[in-house]
Amino acid sequence: QQQVKQSPQSLIVQKGGISIINCAYENTAFDYFPWYQQFPGKGPALLIAIRPDVSEKKEGRFTISFNKSAKQFSLHIMDSQPGDSATYFCAASTRGYSTLTFGKGTMLLVSP
Amino acid sequence: DVKVTQSSRYLVKRTGEKVFLECVQDMDHENMFWYRQDPGLGLRLIYFSYDVKMKEKGDIPEGYSVSREKKERFSLILESASTNQTSMYLCASSSTSFRETQYFGPGTRLLVL
Repeated sequence: QQQVKQSPQSLIVQKGGISIINCAYENTAFDYFPWYQQFPGKGPALLIAIRPDVSEKKEGRFTISFNKSAKQFSLHIMDSQPGDSATYFCAASTRGYSTLTFGKGTMLLVSP
Repeated sequence: DVKVTQSSRYLVKRTGEKVFLECVQDMDHENMFWYRQDPGLGLRLIYFSYDVKMKEKGDIPEGYSVSREKKERFSLILESASTNQTSMYLCASSSTSFRETQYFGPGTRLLVL
């Protein structure tokens, strides 16, 4: 049973465009929603995260939008750059627990 | 900076061999994790540990065991490697204070022939 559903599986965006990756969850006990970025040959690294008490969090060109009623959250990459080409994972965790439930990942390619 | 190191980047083993994957973190983190990463399947949790000599099963523990004799070191053991265990294995750690942020190692790509 997949608890965090991520889409699309892959995405090609032109340089300067907006990249959007979506995730949906069922478990209402989730209360922390991070996004991890993984470059080829590297382990994933935390990119940005949000808690459900806010609807949006922005860090530079990266924004998380959160819709608690729809149980959905998304990552927006503004002015996408070739250096953003990576695999992105959404995840979720429950308060008091250390484990993360990951989505299946989105491979983003930003064309020059 | 937190550093998580894994003993090998690439490993080739034969079916039936016992395989040890080692992970060391240098930030005194209490929590450590082993994942496998497969195309289209994302990151799946194999085992995790909250403390020395303590272990908990993740989502896919079958065919694996772990050992945590020291706080900084977490080992993944494939008792009898099989071809379906060919994968990328990722180790991660986190602190109890900031439990939700996991720091990952670079991964070990294991090929079982």
